[in-house]
Amino acid sequence: DAGVIQSPRHEVTEMGQEVTLRCKPISGHDYLFWYRQTMMRGLELLIYFNNNVPIDDSGMPEDRFSAKMPNASFSTLKIQPSEPRDSAVYFCASSVGGAPLYFGPGTRLTVT
Amino acid sequence: GENVEQHPSTLSVQEGDSAVIKCTYSDSASNYFPWYKQELGKRPQLIIDIRSNVGEKKDQRIAVTLNKTAKHFSLHITETQPEDSAVYFCAGDPTSGTYKYIFGTGTRLKVLA
Repeated sequence: DAGVIQSPRHEVTEMGQEVTLRCKPISGHDYLFWYRQTMMRGLELLIYFNNNVPIDDSGMPEDRFSAKMPNASFSTLKIQPSEPRDSAVYFCASSVGGAPLYFGPGTRLTVT
Repeated sequence: GENVEQHPSTLSVQEGDSAVIKCTYSDSASNYFPWYKQELGKRPQLIIDIRSNVGEKKDQRIAVTLNKTAKHFSLHITETQPEDSAVYFCAGDPTSGTYKYIFGTGTRLKVLA
């Protein structure tokens, strides 16, 4: 089992640019979560999906953030336009029936 | 809404000693409490979890206890080893079935050889 796969692992971009983070959940998992981790705010839930349908996006900071899950094997988190305060590690996690969560390796995003 | 408080924020123990990390939660409806270990630069990994119908769960050197009345749960690591050094996070689900896990702020554990 390859586990949750995320790409890219590192992303450096300039303020105002569009950023797209990608996630492939573990095969057979029906829940997918996007988390953001910073020193100041810890691990924050941004959005989660069940069977490809967004269930709760109340953690998405603002309209600059959007997430999609077009099929059971793929999800994207997009930031447009990016800002320096978006710099963080973004984790994707998947699960069967909501628990437990299996995290991907994360994408370290730096916005300059 | 749910609030999960974790303490201490840092903990240093001598190799072979025990370590205890505590978390409290506010929502009495919470019924699932996982613990994650995160090494520097790596992903959080589940080490043990407990559901509200169980008071204690053990897996080798790791155990978790839950007190629903007092709304707190604790991670116990016995016979600590240097490789136990990491940041540990607790979490709770604010309302059963929503899966909006709230994570604690983390405890940095250092095991001194």
